[in-house]
Amino acid sequence: QSVLTQPPSASGTPGQRVTIACSGSSSNIGSNTVNWYQQLPGTAPKLLIYSDDRRPSGVPDRFSGSRSGTSASLAISGLQSEDEADYHCSAWDDSLKGWVFGGGTKLTVL
Amino acid sequence: EVQLVESGGGLVKPGGSLRLSCAGSGFTFSSSSFNWVRQAPGKGLEWVSSISGSSTYVYYTDSVKGRFTISRDNAKNSLYLQMNSLRAEDTAVYYCARDYFYYDWGQGTLVTVSS
Repeated sequence: QSVLTQPPSASGTPGQRVTIACSGSSSNIGSNTVNWYQQLPGTAPKLLIYSDDRRPSGVPDRFSGSRSGTSASLAISGLQSEDEADYHCSAWDDSLKGWVFGGGTKLTVL
Repeated sequence: EVQLVESGGGLVKPGGSLRLSCAGSGFTFSSSSFNWVRQAPGKGLEWVSSISGSSTYVYYTDSVKGRFTISRDNAKNSLYLQMNSLRAEDTAVYYCARDYFYYDWGQGTLVTVSS
């Protein structure tokens, strides 16, 4: 059971906008920023969004993040087939004194 | 180009030990913090341990405290994870990741704990 809660799956058609939610508590998302990672099939995770809404260089602006209260979300606009991957959220937890992750969301592009 | 290369994984019996290594290049190793993250087959990511640049601060998830030890050798640009008293539930791909935001990741090394 992951500390952060994500839907196990999401889907969309090419060109659509999809959002993936990540729910936590006051000790993690409620007081610390959220990071998102993209994991393409059979590969290592890659940093997609950090500090809630910042993109590393090379990440398209189709990807955006936000945080409000004890929840965060990742939005992907102009969905493309190559976006089919697992997406993981993460935050520092002040009570556990460690990083916590969501269970991951498998995004399917129909 | 930043590179992180893990090694040391393999098959080990319950109760056994393994030492994972992560070799870094393409950046200033000594000023980077590092993390170990694992992923059990078909499961999500799980944080294991973190270490600061000078090794002053180390953190562990509760399930590995007392069994795993994170360390680094800045002269060798290497990060380590000594894993003792291994259990079946430690079976996973282990990744090293650089910096506070896990900016760069290695390719992972598979650890299988089975009799």
